[in-house]
This record gives sequence, C-alpha cells and structure tokens, in this order.
Amino acid sequence: EAEVAQSPRYKITEKSQAVAFWCDPISGHATLYWYRQILGQGPELLVQFQDESVVDDSQLPKDRFSAERLKGVDSTLKIQPAELGDSAMYLCASSSWIAGIQETQYFGPGTRLLVL
Amino acid sequence: DAKTTQPTSMDCAEGRAANLPCNHSTISGNEYVYWYRQIHSQGPQYIIHGLKNNETNEMASLIITEDRKSSTLILPHATLRDTAVYYCIVSPGGTSYGKLTFGQGTILTVHP
Repeated sequence: EAEVAQSPRYKITEKSQAVAFWCDPISGHATLYWYRQILGQGPELLVQFQDESVVDDSQLPKDRFSAERLKGVDSTLKIQPAELGDSAMYLCASSSWIAGIQETQYFGPGTRLLVL
Repeated sequence: DAKTTQPTSMDCAEGRAANLPCNHSTISGNEYVYWYRQIHSQGPQYIIHGLKNNETNEMASLIITEDRKSSTLILPHATLRDTAVYYCIVSPGGTSYGKLTFGQGTILTVHP
C-alpha cells in the first residue's frame, strides 16, 4: 500500500537555528498539505499545494516559515529561525483528484520537532 | 468551516462495539463527514467518510442522521489496538479544495 513518506522522523534543534522537513506524497497525488500539531491538540493546516502552486497558506507564519514544491512532487517545509514555540509534530498529507473530484487525504508519520 | 462537537473521552470493553457520536448541526449541503483516528505518536489515519447515506468499510460503519446534524462512528468489535484519538471533521468534498479542520477529538480507550 502506497504511503506518504516524511523525514526526518525526529529533530532536535536549538532556538534560532534553521530546520527543514521533507515530504514525499503518494505517487500521483496532486494535492499536498503540511499540518502542525501541538501536543494535546488536533492538527492545524499550515499550507496546501495543488501541484507546484500554493492554494492556501493563510495560517503559515511567513516571517519564519517557508514551503516549496518545486516540481509538483515532493515538498520541503523550512523554519528559520526556530523558536521554542515551534516544538510540535509536523504532518504531511496528500490527496488525488479523480474526474474533478478531490479524494481522501492520507497522512504521513510526521516529524517531531523539539526546539531547545 | 462547520464545527463539530465530540465527547472528550469514552471507554469501551474489548470485543464490544464502540459507538462514537459527533454533532455537526451547522453542516452545509456540500460538506462531507470524515472520521480519522490518531494512535499515539503516529499520523492521523483515515477511517471513513460520507455525505448523506450510511457507509461501511472494513474498519467501521458511519451512521448519519437524516437531517445530517449528527453522526455516529461504529467500530463493531473493538480491540486494544483501537485505542486512539478519534476526530470527526466536516469538510467540503467534491470539486472543492477540502482542508481538514481538526478539533480536540474523542479519546477512546479500549480495555480488556
């Protein structure tokens, strides 16, 4: 069964450092999402891509976060500089479109970030 | 986005049916009801979704009331591995870019 891949699974960094997370969606999935999940809360959407274009980044803190999906396949989420409050699980999800209908989102295992 | 209301926590005995309720009284006509679950330290796992009709798959059944203001997820024979946080989400499907807005979910504990 195809899965969304994410790396690294765990990342520890010091505040003010830069971090990057990578996501490889399920093959053929045009839509890719990055979510952030703070401990004890549900995931929150940060950014949504349709192919290589950003569809929604209204909740992305653009002063320090950036996301790209240059070839419309895999994606990178970057934080620079990291702050203590960025400690969270970062989840990637993807979905396909079939006959103009968006299909279900499938999530990867996540990257757990700890900022010291 | 429509909001959902779920109980904070529920318990269920192993082998029994787990019935998880969800209220979504402000759901719009084009919004689907999705259920995901999240086992500790893993990514959310898709369970089932529906628009109007009841749905069943290998994992669960989804019962949606006729007025669509509430639904129930049924795990017919709960096992210890079903212990997780269960999220009920309403989201535009079909031709819309359906982002998922997660709430707090229901912590389901299955005990021996």
